[in-house]
Amino acid sequence: NAGVTQTPKFRILKIGQSMTLQCTQDMNHNYMYWYRQDPGMGLKLIYYSVGAGITDKGEVPNGYNVSRSTTEDFPLRLELAAPSQTSVYFCASSLPTGTGYTFGSGTRLTVV
Amino acid sequence: QQPVQSPQAVILREGEDAVINCSSSKALYSVHWYRQKHGEAPVFLMILLKGGEQKGHEKISASFNEKKQQSSLYLTASQLSYSGTYFCGTEEYGNKLVFGAGTILRVKS
Repeated sequence: NAGVTQTPKFRILKIGQSMTLQCTQDMNHNYMYWYRQDPGMGLKLIYYSVGAGITDKGEVPNGYNVSRSTTEDFPLRLELAAPSQTSVYFCASSLPTGTGYTFGSGTRLTVV
Repeated sequence: QQPVQSPQAVILREGEDAVINCSSSKALYSVHWYRQKHGEAPVFLMILLKGGEQKGHEKISASFNEKKQQSSLYLTASQLSYSGTYFCGTEEYGNKLVFGAGTILRVKS
């Protein structure tokens, strides 16, 4: 099993550009999450989904959008990139509440 | 609300023990523990559920005090491979994980 796969691993964006961070999992997990981690900090929840067609905001959703059309995929869209969005982005998945999360390897994004 | 972890950092010599604490002001359903190596993704260690028993495997174990909404991670006879940043994540029932700021653990030979 591949687990949770994120692409790309690295990306540099110019201010105002847009991009989509891809996340796919092959564990048939209903729950999926996007977190961002700033240098030396903990993880902040951006968006999460409890199943296909269902998404909800986390702690820091501004500037981001998500969609969940299938169980496997949970892409994160950045519109009008800003320097404050420079961070490492982690996608994770899990079974319903009370189980551990499996994280992808992360996308390191720099906005210049 | 973000759980509070302590200490912020700890340095050990191989073979020494360490305790990392995590506390919340919310009524919790579960507490998760993760370890993250530099430049890598967090890796799940264990989960403590409300009403559950103390968890552990090998030399890493954890407890959950439901009355105080506190959890502790115990690392005994530390090894070089234990180095990394440890995060607790707290879950209110039916809600998503909120992570603490992390505890940096460094094990020296």
